Amino acid sequence: AAGVIQSPRHLIKEKRETATLKCYPIPRHDTVYWYQQGPGQDPQFLISFYEKMQSDKGSIPDRFSAQQFSDYHSELNMSSLELGDSALYFCASSLTGGDTDTQYFGPGTRLTVL
Amino acid sequence: GESVGLHLPTLSVQEGDNSIINCAYSNSASDYFIWYKQESGKGPQFIIDIRSNMDKRQGQRVTVLLNKTVKHLSLQIAATQPGDSAVYFCAENGEAGTALIFGKGTTLSVSS
Repeated sequence: AAGVIQSPRHLIKEKRETATLKCYPIPRHDTVYWYQQGPGQDPQFLISFYEKMQSDKGSIPDRFSAQQFSDYHSELNMSSLELGDSALYFCASSLTGGDTDTQYFGPGTRLTVL
Repeated sequence: GESVGLHLPTLSVQEGDNSIINCAYSNSASDYFIWYKQESGKGPQFIIDIRSNMDKRQGQRVTVLLNKTVKHLSLQIAATQPGDSAVYFCAENGEAGTALIFGKGTTLSVSS
């Protein structure tokens, strides 16, 4: 079965640079979520989109923004990167209103800020 | 098998034992609970879920128990195998399309 696709899988940036992470949800899923996971930590919710509209917002810094496009893929844009932004970034997708609203996670993007 | 009443960050078992991983959730209004397995460097993988109108659900080698009175969730893994070694997270969700709140993970180590 098709899973959530994330790109790139690894990204190395310098401080103050920008980064864009992409997420392609499972086909027919209409909701995408972004989570950040630091080393040894549990995933922390950043933001989610349902039908291209922001549906929930968590601890996302003002330096980050995200959007969901007409084909349901989503991009997380990160500016003025800081060392503390180094983490695994996961995208998850679900079908809101379906039999289950289980969130299925992608393989993640490992961001390293030097 | 080995069981823990409270959340512990690590759990070590022998292959073939039954494992029980516990989790305390935070929001009494949460309606949906999920267990995820996360291997090193990979994304959380769905294992099993349960809704608040149930107290037990069984899957293949796994059982989830929900005690709403004390806001406690547990995952039982039967005949634990080395491939079960990973970090296990419980997560709760109050409303479809909204954030999952993850509990602290438990690292399960299975030795042969």
